Amino acid sequence: KQEVTQIPAALSVPEGENLVLNCSFTDSAIYNLQWFRQDPGKGLTSLLLIQSSQREQTSGRLNASLDKSSGRSTLYIAASQPGDSATYLCAAGDGGGADGLTFGKGTHLIIQP
Amino acid sequence: NAGVTQTPKFQVLKTGQSMTLQCAQDMNHEYMSWYRQDPGMGLRLIHYSVGAGITDQGEVPNGYNVSRSTTEDFPLRLLSAAPSQTSVYFCASSYSGQDGQPQHFGDGTRLSIL
Repeated sequence: KQEVTQIPAALSVPEGENLVLNCSFTDSAIYNLQWFRQDPGKGLTSLLLIQSSQREQTSGRLNASLDKSSGRSTLYIAASQPGDSATYLCAAGDGGGADGLTFGKGTHLIIQP
Repeated sequence: NAGVTQTPKFQVLKTGQSMTLQCAQDMNHEYMSWYRQDPGMGLRLIHYSVGAGITDQGEVPNGYNVSRSTTEDFPLRLLSAAPSQTSVYFCASSYSGQDGQPQHFGDGTRLSIL
């Protein structure tokens, strides 16, 4: 059974810093790895999706990498802003997408103005 | 562009009552799924569907029932509510079975069982 772990569970940094969120998974036979953002009381917003054949994806100040052999993914946030404060979730896609996603418990991020 | 719409947003039930959580998407997605989110547990898959007329169980299906009569709708039924089903429920959709398609989530239904 796939297990996804996110470290750290919580992180508080001053505005402007670059930061890295970590995600590890136990079964490297994944189809994709997806990063989400969740604001309090809201649903999940997809940030980046990395297919199993890819090494990284970028969107604006966000960069996500995937290393299947080591079972790791990182989300890099450049020049953090208070608006980046949220919970960030990573999820491993198994079974070609038909079997849903296995989620980590998330990293609660606070960017201090 | 509505995306994934869940109703109701909040609901309080008594133990033993039944209810249906509604989920609708307007993106013509084949794949739809239901998750529950509990503190300290993360999101867990309840049921999913790869197309109209096809459903299957996820990690935590007990006490829930689903059907998929149309591409747009994927309701989740609680047959006899129990306090352990107090949770936030999310519906998601995507294009079916392709590894490059992100999943789109609704805003959730917050359900309390007394």
